[in-house]
Amino acid sequence: AQSVTQLGSHVSVSEGALVLLRCNYSSSVPPYLFWYVQYPNQGLQLLLKYTTGATLVKGINGFEAEFKKSETSFHLTKPSAHMSDAAEYFCALDSNYQLIWGAGTKLIIKP
Amino acid sequence: DGGITQSPKYLFRKEGQNVTLSCEQNLNHDAMYWYRQDPGQGLRLIYYSQIVNDFQKGDIAEGYSVSREKKESFPLTVTSAQKNPTAFYLCASSVTGAQNTEAFFGQGTRLTVV
Repeated sequence: AQSVTQLGSHVSVSEGALVLLRCNYSSSVPPYLFWYVQYPNQGLQLLLKYTTGATLVKGINGFEAEFKKSETSFHLTKPSAHMSDAAEYFCALDSNYQLIWGAGTKLIIKP
Repeated sequence: DGGITQSPKYLFRKEGQNVTLSCEQNLNHDAMYWYRQDPGQGLRLIYYSQIVNDFQKGDIAEGYSVSREKKESFPLTVTSAQKNPTAFYLCASSVTGAQNTEAFFGQGTRLTVV
C-alpha cells in the first residue's frame, strides 16, 4: 500500500536557521511527490512537486526538496527561515490520480 | 481571476440538521474533490468526481453526499447521519488524466455543530 509519513508534527526553528521538514513515502511504482503549505484557516498552496528527472526540486518562497529513491524520502528544506514561513506543511504522494497525504508538520519560527 | 471559491467560510449547524457547503471553480478542471481536515490527521478524502454526473466515494464518505450536475460546481451535503461533523472542509480541483498535476484548493469552510 502506498503511504506518506511526515516525521514530527511540530518543528521549531529560529529565524534565520535552516528549515528541514521530513517526508518518507512508500510506493510500489515511481512516485509523484508534492509539498503543500497551509496558512491558518486557509486552503493549501503548492510549494513544489517532483515528477521525473532532476531529483533536486526548487519551489516557491526559497524552498527546495530532494528526491532520494534509496531512502524513499522527499525532505523539504530552506536555508534561512523567515517569520512568514510559519505554517503547516503537507507532503503528498500521487496514487492512481488521487493524493495520499501525510499528517502535516507545523513549522514554528522563533524570533 | 481563476480559482476555487468555497462558501460560506464559517458555518454553524444544529444537531440533526443537514447543511450544504458550496464549491465553485472557474479553472475548467474536470476533477473535483472534497476533503475533511482535523487537527493532526492531515487531509482525508470524502468524495471525488472526475467528470460531470459521476462521483466516487473516498475514504470517509459515510454521512456525506455530493452532486456534480455542472463542471464548475461540486456541492457537499453534510447529513444528520454524520456523527462528528465539526471540522474544516476543503474543496479542490485538478486536471484529469495527468498524474503529476497540481491540485488547487479553496479557502475552506469551517463547520461547527452547536
